Amino acid sequence: KQEVTQIPAALSVPEGENLVLNCSFTDSAIYNLQWFRQDPGKGLTSLLLIQSSQREQTSGRLNASLDKSSGRSTLYIAASQPGDSATYLCAVGTNAGGTSYGKLTFGQGTILTVHP
Amino acid sequence: KAGVTQTPRYLIKTRGQQVTLSCSPISGHRSVSWYQQTPGQGLQFLFEYFSETQRNKGNFPGRFSGRQFSNSRSEMNVSTLELGDSALYLCASSRQGNTEAFFGQGTRLTVV
Repeated sequence: KQEVTQIPAALSVPEGENLVLNCSFTDSAIYNLQWFRQDPGKGLTSLLLIQSSQREQTSGRLNASLDKSSGRSTLYIAASQPGDSATYLCAVGTNAGGTSYGKLTFGQGTILTVHP
Repeated sequence: KAGVTQTPRYLIKTRGQQVTLSCSPISGHRSVSWYQQTPGQGLQFLFEYFSETQRNKGNFPGRFSGRQFSNSRSEMNVSTLELGDSALYLCASSRQGNTEAFFGQGTRLTVV
């Protein structure tokens, strides 16, 4: 059974800092890994998708890496801003044949607060 | 392009009642997945539909069911509601199920 862990559970930083969020998973047989952000009471916004054959993806100030063999991913946020304050969720799609498609296993999230 | 649309946004129901939630996926997406989000359990997978067939199911009781129509729209039904069913219900759509997932804004269900 796939288990996803995110560290730290919460993070508070001053504006402008570069920061790293961590995600680990127990089963390395994944087909992709996605990072999402969630604002309070809202749905999830997709930030980055990394396919199992890829090592990293970048979008603006965000960079996500994937080390499938060690079961780890990191989300790097450069020059953080107050608008980045949200919960960040890591989710993996585990490759157990076609019946596993469409099922993402989520971590508990990292609550990020960026203060001015 | 239009995103994933969930209706209604908010619902208040009484214990023992049933409820139906709706999800319209992004055009061209054939996979729709449903998740339950609670403060204690986080996001938990309910089931996934692809081309009108349930392809994958999580560990929820049979009171939770769903279906998908030929236009890929999906509905989720919960019968005999319990207080513990109070949660944010999210649906996600993707082209094939193993591609990028996009989520709707969710339906907030409160059972009293």
